[in-house]
Amino acid sequence: DAGVIQSPRHEVTEMGQEVTLRCKPISGHNSLFWYRQTMMRGLELLIYFNNNVPIDDSGMPEDRFSAKMPNASFSTLKIQPSEPRDSAVYFCASRSDGGSYEQYFGPGTRLTVT
Amino acid sequence: KQEVTQIPAALSVPEGENLVLNCSFTDSAIYNLQWFRQDPGKGLTSLLLIQSSQREQTSGRLNASLDKSSGRSTLYIAASQPGDSATYLCAVRTMNRDDKIIFGKGTRLHILP
Repeated sequence: DAGVIQSPRHEVTEMGQEVTLRCKPISGHNSLFWYRQTMMRGLELLIYFNNNVPIDDSGMPEDRFSAKMPNASFSTLKIQPSEPRDSAVYFCASRSDGGSYEQYFGPGTRLTVT
Repeated sequence: KQEVTQIPAALSVPEGENLVLNCSFTDSAIYNLQWFRQDPGKGLTSLLLIQSSQREQTSGRLNASLDKSSGRSTLYIAASQPGDSATYLCAVRTMNRDDKIIFGKGTRLHILP
C-alpha cells in the first residue's frame, strides 16, 4: 500500500484565495483525520470522519474551514477565504477501527498564505 | 479536558546512551496511547501503540510503558544512534463521547555523534 497520500505537498497562496487540500486514505481504513501543526500550538485535530461521516468537527477553527469525504477513498479540506494565520502544515491520517486503532499519517501539505 | 504534556521539549544525548522520553496525561480514561516519530519537514511515523489494558510494548531498541492510573508513559530508547534524532510525540485516544486523539507537543531529540 502507498500509505496515506496528500496533495499538494506545498501550497503558497495569497490572502483571500481559496485553498483545497486533498487526501487519499489507506485502502480499507474507515476513519480519517485532518490535523493542523504549527510551532505555537503543536498538532491539533480539526475534524475526523468515520465511514465517510463527519463525527467531530469541533476543532475546525471557523466557518472559513470546511471538509468533505464524498467516498471512502477521498477527502478534502477547504479554506475560503484563506488568511496568513492559516499558514501551517496540514496532515491527513487514517485508521482501521477493526484492528489496533493505530493511526497512519500522510506526508502533510505545507500551506503558506501571504 | 484531556491534556498531554511532554517534558523536556528538547534533549541532547551522546550516541550510545540509553534514554527515556516522558509523556503525561491528565485523564486516565483512555483507549490507548501511541508514540510517533517526526523527522523535520516530514509526517508522523507510528512507533508503538499501547492499549489501555497493556503495560508495555517493544519494538527493536524501543520500549514504551504505560501507567494509566498515574497518567504516565515513557519511551525508552536503548543504545541511541544519530539516526534516532527526531521529534517524538505521544498521543492519547480519549475514552469519552468525543473520542478525540490528543497530542503532546513533542520532545525534540538530538543524538550527538
